[in-house]
Amino acid sequence: GENVEQHPSTLSVQEGDSAVIKCTYSDSASNYFPWYKQELGKGPQLIIDIRSNVGEKKDQRIAVTLNKTAKHFSLHITETQPEDSAVYFCAASTVDSWGKLQFGAGTQVVVTP
Amino acid sequence: DGGITQSPKYLFRKEGQNVTLSCEQNLNHDAMYWYRQDPGQGLRLIYYSQIVNDFQKGDIAEGYSVSREKKESFPLTVTSAQKNPTAFYLCASRPPGHVNTEAFFGQGTRLTVV
Repeated sequence: GENVEQHPSTLSVQEGDSAVIKCTYSDSASNYFPWYKQELGKGPQLIIDIRSNVGEKKDQRIAVTLNKTAKHFSLHITETQPEDSAVYFCAASTVDSWGKLQFGAGTQVVVTP
Repeated sequence: DGGITQSPKYLFRKEGQNVTLSCEQNLNHDAMYWYRQDPGQGLRLIYYSQIVNDFQKGDIAEGYSVSREKKESFPLTVTSAQKNPTAFYLCASRPPGHVNTEAFFGQGTRLTVV
């Protein structure tokens, strides 16, 4: 089955700097890669996703890149703000997996003023 | 407001008891999922359902049971057979044609064994 690894587990950045979180996946059939943000005591919320026919996607300060050959994808947050502090999860799924998402272990991001 | 509602937010269980976590959605979604979250770990799939009256085991189904009698509802029962049930439980759903689409999550239920 699919295995998703996520690094780093914690990330501390100065406000205004950039944050990068990296994930690798094992199943070459995976074709959907969402990123979720989870605030303390709440459910995860989708912040951006990418499909395997696209190499990069951007939404304001957030961008995701996908390298299918290397089987890794990354989340980039620019101009970080204190409200970006949260746990971020990457995930992967395949067309024939009935929508089951395999999640990484999460990255705790702390943005210090 | 459309969304997924999980209840209760906090739940305490004595050892040996079964408890049922509620998940209701009014998004008209076909697919529904239950995940378990432990500190420092990602979300692990317990059960999922694609349509009414059908559900499948996920990666960690032992000690759990579900039902899907209505499209809107997907309750999870944590049985006494689950040896380490203390965790944060998340319910999610996906719309029709759900492959490669966003999964919407509820706010979670924190279960503690006392």
